[in-house]
Amino acid sequence: DQQVKQNSPSLSVQEGRISILNCDYTNSMFDYFLWYKKYPAEGPTFLISISSIKDKNEDGRFTVFLNKSAKHLSLHIVPSQPGDSAVYFCAARGGTASKLTFGTGTRLQVTL
Amino acid sequence: DTAVSQTPKYLVTQMGNDKSIKCEQNLGHDTMYWYKQDSKKFLKIMFSYNNKELIINETVPNRFSPKSPDKAHLNLHINSLELGDSAVYFCASSHDYYTGELFFGEGSRLTVL
Repeated sequence: DQQVKQNSPSLSVQEGRISILNCDYTNSMFDYFLWYKKYPAEGPTFLISISSIKDKNEDGRFTVFLNKSAKHLSLHIVPSQPGDSAVYFCAARGGTASKLTFGTGTRLQVTL
Repeated sequence: DTAVSQTPKYLVTQMGNDKSIKCEQNLGHDTMYWYKQDSKKFLKIMFSYNNKELIINETVPNRFSPKSPDKAHLNLHINSLELGDSAVYFCASSHDYYTGELFFGEGSRLTVL
């Protein structure tokens, strides 16, 4: 039962353009969402998060949007840089439990 | 200075063997985790410890036994290894039980032949 889905396994974007990574979830109990970034042979690193009481959170070039009615969130990276090339995981949590449910990731390639 | 370190990074072993993966964090965090990333790239939680106390124990075969000798260490011991145990195992830590911001180790790739 895949409660967090990232339907695009890969995405290629030109340097300087916007990257939009999407994530859908099915569990209405999820109230906190996070994005992690992963380089090869490294562990995931936390990027940005959003609580269900908000619909947008911004941190520099990274913005996460949450649409609760659609159970959808997206990560926008503007402008995209070659160093952003990595696998991006969406994760969600419900209640106070620290257990995160992860999506399968989207591989972003930023080309010159 | 690595925040969350796991050893070994690579492990190749035969079916039926017993192996351990060690994890240490120097961040002063209270909570530690083991996650498994299988061949389909799903990252799934296996166990979580808070101040040495087991708080999350997902549906994992009892061949897997975590041990937390202190707050900074969480080891994973696997008995009677099976082919399906082949995966990358990630250790992680967080400041406390409530935060979702996890700090991951580099992962330990286990291959069972």
